[in-house]
Amino acid sequence: EAGVAQSPRYKIIEKRQSVAFWCNPISGHATLYWYQQILGQGPKLLIQFQNNGVVDDSQLPKDRFSAERLKGVDSTLKIQPAKLEDSAVYLCASSFTSFLRPYEQYFGPGTRLTVT
Amino acid sequence: QKEVEQDPGPLSVPEGAIVSLNCTYSNSAFQYFMWYRQYSRKGPELLMYTYSSGNKEDGRFTAQVDKSSKYISLFIRDSQPSDSATYLCAMSSDSGAGSYQLTFGKGTKLSVIP
Repeated sequence: EAGVAQSPRYKIIEKRQSVAFWCNPISGHATLYWYQQILGQGPKLLIQFQNNGVVDDSQLPKDRFSAERLKGVDSTLKIQPAKLEDSAVYLCASSFTSFLRPYEQYFGPGTRLTVT
Repeated sequence: QKEVEQDPGPLSVPEGAIVSLNCTYSNSAFQYFMWYRQYSRKGPELLMYTYSSGNKEDGRFTAQVDKSSKYISLFIRDSQPSDSATYLCAMSSDSGAGSYQLTFGKGTKLSVIP
């Protein structure tokens, strides 16, 4: 079974530029998550999708971050404009369902963003 | 006070040692307790999970949950150099209508020296 795919793996941009990350979840997984992992910290949930609807985006900085999941499969996360503090690894995870089995989230390799 | 506290280490042990990793938490609503392993430049992968209190063993790994103390542990026996990674504890409770989300600790970086 193929895992969660993410691209690009690395990205370096200057502050105030924009950037987009892409995620392809495991086939058949209805729930998709985007996490931000700052160096030395655990992952922090940014947004959770159930199919193509948003379940929770309470920790997404909506003035600069946006995310979409068209057709309930692939997802993109965008930052515009980027700030220095956005430097982090952005992890995508997916699960068959978000109900009853929270341990069944599968993570992609992440996109490492450096903002200079 | 953060919901989940985890000593970031780093922790360095000789090969064959018993490793003890711990987390404390403040949210008594947490029901599921997970341990993830994260190798450098990789995403986290689930090692073990426990529901509510008790112990769970899987090979060289043992997870313990003490809900009365709000304290969880992961023990690694006969540690191997391949166990060198960052270990993240994560916890979960029902965020509404049966949907669960994960709250992670900072992670403990473990090095097993041959």
